[in-house]
Amino acid sequence: LAKTTQPISMDSYEGQEVNITCSHNNIATNDYITWYQQFPSQGPRFIIQGYKTKVTNEVASLFIPADRKSSTLSLPRVSLSDTAVYYCLVAYSGTYKYIFGTGTRLKVLA
Amino acid sequence: DVKVTQSSRYLVKRTGEKVFLECVQDMDHENMFWYRQDPGLGLRLIYFSYDVKMKEKGDIPEGYSVSREKKERFSLILESASTNQTSMYLCASEGEGSYEQYFGPGTRLTVT
Repeated sequence: LAKTTQPISMDSYEGQEVNITCSHNNIATNDYITWYQQFPSQGPRFIIQGYKTKVTNEVASLFIPADRKSSTLSLPRVSLSDTAVYYCLVAYSGTYKYIFGTGTRLKVLA
Repeated sequence: DVKVTQSSRYLVKRTGEKVFLECVQDMDHENMFWYRQDPGLGLRLIYFSYDVKMKEKGDIPEGYSVSREKKERFSLILESASTNQTSMYLCASEGEGSYEQYFGPGTRLTVT
């Protein structure tokens, strides 16, 4: 049974870089990893997605090592408004299987 | 902007009632999803639909059914609500092959 785990919580200070890791097994080369941000009383919001090596957009980077047993969301220079819960999602390509990670509660301190 | 709307933000139902949760998206997305979110358990997929009238079971389909008669609308049905179905229900849509899901605001369902 596929399982996707994340650290339960992390604290950081404003202006720091934050890296959140998602551990997953049995990931094929075409399986996609997506990250979402969720604030209280709202649905998750898309941050970034990728399936290999490194992807960067205007808000984050996603690193996927060659062994594909984990992926890392990198948030550069976090601010107080980045305090939220962050989820990874593994989409198993060619199947109808989507597994969310356990979620990481990030608290950004002033 | 993609918009996913859910019929209710809060809903209170009695045990044994039939419950309908409606979800509508305005981006002509092929894929639609129903998840439930519970403290400590995160988001779990109940059902997924990849086209009109097509559906696939997710991880926790027991006690639920779905209907997709039109591309923009995906309904979750609790045939006979039970207290263990008290939860936050989230609908999402996704364009074919995009892997980027857009979520609705959620429906907090309480079954008493």
